[in-house]
Amino acid sequence: SAVISQKPSRDICQRGTSLTIQCQVDSQVTMMFWYRQQPGQSLTLIATANQGSEATYESGFVIDKFPISRPNLTFSTLTVSNMSPEDSSIYLCSVSPSSNTGELFFGEGSRLTVL
Amino acid sequence: RKEVEQDPGPFNVPEGATVAFNCTYSNSASQSFFWYRQDCRKEPKLLMSVYSSGNEDGRFTAQLNRASQYISLLIRDSKLSDSATYLCVVKHGGATNKLIFGTGTLLAVQP
Repeated sequence: SAVISQKPSRDICQRGTSLTIQCQVDSQVTMMFWYRQQPGQSLTLIATANQGSEATYESGFVIDKFPISRPNLTFSTLTVSNMSPEDSSIYLCSVSPSSNTGELFFGEGSRLTVL
Repeated sequence: RKEVEQDPGPFNVPEGATVAFNCTYSNSASQSFFWYRQDCRKEPKLLMSVYSSGNEDGRFTAQLNRASQYISLLIRDSKLSDSATYLCVVKHGGATNKLIFGTGTLLAVQP
């Protein structure tokens, strides 16, 4: 298993500003992912955070809007840039300690409200 | 069309009832299947994996029909604590561990 700490747990931001969410894992993991869960929706994968290289973004998500850092195997950040109310969502960091099981462990999420 | 489709519910059932959730997936190359549980305002957590032969964990039974691209979850003797959203999850092949989540089925067990 893995214990994941995310912060901030929630924030209210003004339109046009940027927010950086941090994700800390209690063990080294190869794969870290960032998901978004909009109100009433399921989880959508934003990107895979790769250690030592650029993140791999899913269709519909771009680096300029969601820059990601992964400086080591236990830490990652996701920035939501130039925010608009449509970015209001829960952002979840997740890790997969074992590629065999396919199980994901999630942080508690960062609930973002953009005014 | 969504890659993983579920009936959003809500399913309102009395304690002790048996309830079944269904899920269909569109990508025939999908290799692994899971049910996750998400409590209100909490993160998702793995409930159980779904194996081709079907598998059971206590009151929970999961089944997979690859030919029909269909997954099910059966909960017997429902408890109040089973109230949650149940997410059907599909993993593509390869080493990326990319999981595709359904929108979830909301279960409310009534006393």
